[in-house]
Amino acid sequence: QVQLQQSGPGLVKPSQTLSLTCVISGDSVSSNSAAWNWIRQSPSRGLEWLGRTYYRSKWYNDYALSVKSRMTINPDTSKNQLSLQLNSVTPEDTAVYYCARDRTNTGVFDYWGQGTLVTVSS
Amino acid sequence: DIVMTQSPDSLAVSLGERATINCKSSQSVLYSSNNKNYLAWYQQKPGQPPKLLIYWASTRESGVPDRFSGSGSGTDFTLTISSLQAEDVAAYYCQQYYSSPRVTFGPGTKVDIK
Repeated sequence: QVQLQQSGPGLVKPSQTLSLTCVISGDSVSSNSAAWNWIRQSPSRGLEWLGRTYYRSKWYNDYALSVKSRMTINPDTSKNQLSLQLNSVTPEDTAVYYCARDRTNTGVFDYWGQGTLVTVSS
Repeated sequence: DIVMTQSPDSLAVSLGERATINCKSSQSVLYSSNNKNYLAWYQQKPGQPPKLLIYWASTRESGVPDRFSGSGSGTDFTLTISSLQAEDVAAYYCQQYYSSPRVTFGPGTKVDIK
């Protein structure tokens, strides 16, 4: 059974960096078939895909154009986890953030983390 | 980006009755080379993450009750709950993955008991 356990602060000040971690159990961040994604949800923007990382002999990352200049996803094979860093946040980045597995790297998300509400406020 | 729309925004259905949710994409999500529609449906209950129900427009995820079914092709899709149960009260989202990795979701439809 795959489980994704998220952690990270729920409050971030404007202009600072949002950092979240997703620990994977029951699968591997370096799986040769899956991809590991970050998705957020807010009342104003709905469900929004942010980015992914996956391993196919080497690491690949893809990001949504809306956050590409501010976002980094890092896999950590030693801890079997992935992390999200989003720089220069504004109140528009306030959302529930999810990590999610795409088991076949097609864009379908079969396992999700529990979600982390991140509020950007001073 | 492919824009997804859903209708209605919300609906209330009596227990045991049929619920139908519509989803439309701004361009076709049917990939001609494999004749597959790159369309998924998710269920989300309050305080929980979305749960995958259906992919390839009509393939039920393992463990999903068969009262849930998906249909449609190209730009128009439907999720049907054949006999609404109390535990089906939730928001339902369609999602296209034709443009993966840059997938997009619909705005959601809330289903409640009448």
